[in-house]
Amino acid sequence: DGGITQSPKYLFRKEGQNVTLSCEQNLNHDAMYWYRQDPGQGLRLIYYSQIVNDFQKGDIAEGYSVSREKKESFPLTVTSAQKNPTAFYLCASSRSSGDYNEQFFGPGTRLTVL
Amino acid sequence: KNQVEQSPQSLIILEGKNCTLQCNYTVSPFSNLRWYKQDTGRGPVSLTIMTFSENTKSNGRYTATLDADTKQSSLHITASQLSDSASYICVVRASREYGNKLVFGAGTILRVKS
Repeated sequence: DGGITQSPKYLFRKEGQNVTLSCEQNLNHDAMYWYRQDPGQGLRLIYYSQIVNDFQKGDIAEGYSVSREKKESFPLTVTSAQKNPTAFYLCASSRSSGDYNEQFFGPGTRLTVL
Repeated sequence: KNQVEQSPQSLIILEGKNCTLQCNYTVSPFSNLRWYKQDTGRGPVSLTIMTFSENTKSNGRYTATLDADTKQSSLHITASQLSDSASYICVVRASREYGNKLVFGAGTILRVKS
């Protein structure tokens, strides 16, 4: 099966802990993205990567970090510096970052800070 | 500020009925507009993409319209089914010279009742 997988589906974190969300794709896509979804708001871009070993901050990068060591993988770390991390996190990928390339989304990870 | 506003916020209809969801945007210049369907707890899936020159596009029981002059789009669902219950998200892409940015609406939550 081709697609994007995210793990875990649910994640609970204590305040002050860092956690890492996994995102893997086997679509051979160059570009990958992390979004945050909060109730009543549109998706907001956290980080994106257009190619291996390169990534750029999105609109709300503070308190988050990423790496892109392999084409297939784009993990997101939510650090203790993120003031309100409870949210639904979506990873996406596209063939490139071009105008008409569809972004394909993973199933999401729901992070709850206890 | 580039924005995408969707209405209504939520909608309940009876199975078999039609409905229309609205999307107004201020993103300019505009490259394309997509409608996504997002089932609860899942990632969004693309339904249609529309470019500046297209007025109408259909995908099965889903028909999207676009009026680029008034910056309005609609998604019409015909003969609704229980499986249409989901959030429908309008996403507008700015032109490349303005960073190729995606702007997401907050979505319309549709519930189809039997």
